[in-house]
Amino acid sequence: AQSVAQPEDQVNVAEGNPLTVKCTYSVSGNPYLFWYVQYPNRGLQFLLKYITGDNLVKGSYGFEAEFNKSQTSFHLKKPSALVSDSALYFCAVRDSMAGNQFYFGTGTSLTVIP
Amino acid sequence: KAGVTQTPRYLIKTRGQQVTLSCSPISGHRSVSWYQQTPGQGLQFLFEYFSETQRNKGNFPGRFSGRQFSNSRSEMNVSTLELGDSALYLCASSPLGENIQYFGAGTRLSVL
Repeated sequence: AQSVAQPEDQVNVAEGNPLTVKCTYSVSGNPYLFWYVQYPNRGLQFLLKYITGDNLVKGSYGFEAEFNKSQTSFHLKKPSALVSDSALYFCAVRDSMAGNQFYFGTGTSLTVIP
Repeated sequence: KAGVTQTPRYLIKTRGQQVTLSCSPISGHRSVSWYQQTPGQGLQFLFEYFSETQRNKGNFPGRFSGRQFSNSRSEMNVSTLELGDSALYLCASSPLGENIQYFGAGTRLSVL
């Protein structure tokens, strides 16, 4: 079965510090992995994706994520957090063996403290 | 290009009523997916349509239904509303061959 886990409901980080939002996944085939961000009263915005190739993926707004096949993880990172990064972050996976359906995690609320 | 448009943005209904939500995808996108978002549950997949055909369906009761028109616009309908149907309903569209979903701002449904 396909699934995504975001083990932390809430992450707090001081402005200027590095941030990490964790994600692990389970799929039958090869994973297509995604991170989305949601600001209040808005839909989800695409940040970055991993399909194949380099394990370190760079995305919008200075975010990056590292695909780790052995740990089945795809953690989101940023070297220096901004207050404006405060939002709800969702990890998602598509299974290459299971059609076109996306599976989303339950989300992690990131708060960057000035 | 205009983004994904969902109407209405807000709805208030009472138990037992039915509701229809609308989604206009980005021009040229033929795949439309619907999700229910509730606090603590994240995004729960409802269904996906491609070229007017339902391609995938999530684990929701038959009260939840959808359709897609020839211009790729999609509607979802919820009949016999229950209090637990209160949620943000999100629509996402995808272009053929691209592994990214583009989301609308959602319709917030409150059932009283």
